[in-house]
Amino acid sequence: EVQLVESGGDLVQPGGSLRLSCAGSGVTISSYWMGWARQAPGKGLEWVANTNPGETDKNYADSVKGRFTISRDNAKNSLYLQMNSLRAEDTAMYYCARQTVVPQDAFDIWGQGTKVTVAS
Amino acid sequence: AIQMTQSPSSLSASVGDGVTITCRASQGIGNELGWYQQRPGKAPKLLICAASSLQSGVPSRFSGSGSGTDFTLTITSLQPEDVATYYCLQDYRYPFTFGPGTKVDIK
Repeated sequence: EVQLVESGGDLVQPGGSLRLSCAGSGVTISSYWMGWARQAPGKGLEWVANTNPGETDKNYADSVKGRFTISRDNAKNSLYLQMNSLRAEDTAMYYCARQTVVPQDAFDIWGQGTKVTVAS
Repeated sequence: AIQMTQSPSSLSASVGDGVTITCRASQGIGNELGWYQQRPGKAPKLLICAASSLQSGVPSRFSGSGSGTDFTLTITSLQPEDVATYYCLQDYRYPFTFGPGTKVDIK
C-alpha cells in the first residue's frame, strides 16, 4: 500500500522544540518535492513548507519562517520538520504530502497526520 | 500573499442534487489551482489539479473549471460519501494558500 506515515507529534511547552518525521511506505519520495501542511483544531488547512528533491529549494509560510526547517533524507525515504520556538498557535495536526510538479503542482499523497500541542 | 476566498462557507443539499463551490483568488493565478476533499477526521485528498484535471480514481461527478481569479468545483449528483469539507489551494506563487473551506452536508 502506498502511504506516508508521520510521527513525532507530542505535547510541548511554549518556546520548546519538536521534530516531526514522515516516512514513505510503498512509495519512493526521493525524486519528488515534498511538503507539510497543518490544521489547527476546528480550523482550515494551512500550507507550511516544501522542498525539492535535492533540498536546494525550500519554501515556508510566513507564520513559520525562521522557526521551522524542512529537511529530508532520501536514503531513508523520509521527510522532516524541525520546529523551534513553538507557540500556542502552532497547535495543529501536521500532515506531510507528496507534491507532483509535472504537469502541474499538486499534493497527491497525504499522510494521516501527527498531532502537535503547544501548551504549558 | 495571495488570498483565497470560497463561497458558500457551507451548504446542505439532497442526494442527487448538483452542487457548485466557488473559489476566488486575490490576483490572477492562471490555472494553478487544486481542489481537495477532507472527510471528517481524515486527511485531505486531491480531487482536481490544474483547475480542471481530474485526479485518477476520482468519480466523474466531480469537475473543475476556471482560470485567472475565478474557479468552480461542481458535483453533478451529490452522494452520501461526498459529505466533507472542500478546499481550494493556489500553487501559483509562494506561499501557497488554501481557501477557508466549504462544508458540504446532506439535507
